[in-house]
Amino acid sequence: DSGVTQTPKHLITATGQRVTLRCSPRSGDLSVYWYQQSLDQGLQFLIHYYNGEERAKGNILERFSAQQFPDLHSELNLSSLELGDSALYFCASSAGVDTGELFFGEGSRLTVL
Amino acid sequence: AQKITQTQPGMFVQEKEAVTLDCTYDTSDPSYGLFWYKQPSSGEMIFLIYQGSYDQQNATEGRYSLNFQKARKSANLVISASQLGDSAMYFCAMREGLRGGYQKVTFGTGTKLQVIP
Repeated sequence: DSGVTQTPKHLITATGQRVTLRCSPRSGDLSVYWYQQSLDQGLQFLIHYYNGEERAKGNILERFSAQQFPDLHSELNLSSLELGDSALYFCASSAGVDTGELFFGEGSRLTVL
Repeated sequence: AQKITQTQPGMFVQEKEAVTLDCTYDTSDPSYGLFWYKQPSSGEMIFLIYQGSYDQQNATEGRYSLNFQKARKSANLVISASQLGDSAMYFCAMREGLRGGYQKVTFGTGTKLQVIP
């Protein structure tokens, strides 16, 4: 158990809908990262937050947004969903902005029908 | 340009043999970190090993070692005495921008390792 909690674990929705994925980092970790892994693909970096502040953005679509709250949990909002958004979405946390490994949650598997 | 390159989409290794998974990286940052993660078929991402760019010694963790060749910008993972449970996808990753400010962790496309009994 990495200590990173992601909900929901599975989500099935329709095209055009909006969903919110939630991530609770390990206790004390200030950094939260979001990644998208499509079928048989590597991990695409979406966005990184540190202590509530956005620190880096990757290939995140304009239809997607994220935030990190004062209690350090983070949410990834996906709107106007398309079939191609079906993927495993991972959240990872680390202690600082530049320290050590990333601890991954189990992922949220999104299926868009 | 790809930041992290894993040129072996798939590999086979005999049980109890050693195997090397290749990873090359590209960065202009003087300070960076390199990771290897394992993703079994169940989907979770398992941290294996970490190497900082200023670390003098190659990192080792049990049966895993990282063959870090800074001049060649390579960070190959060596798994000794392969076990059936090692069958999984393996991802190389790099953290850049360690001096604060902009920074991100980029993953390679992965190598699928299959251990043969």
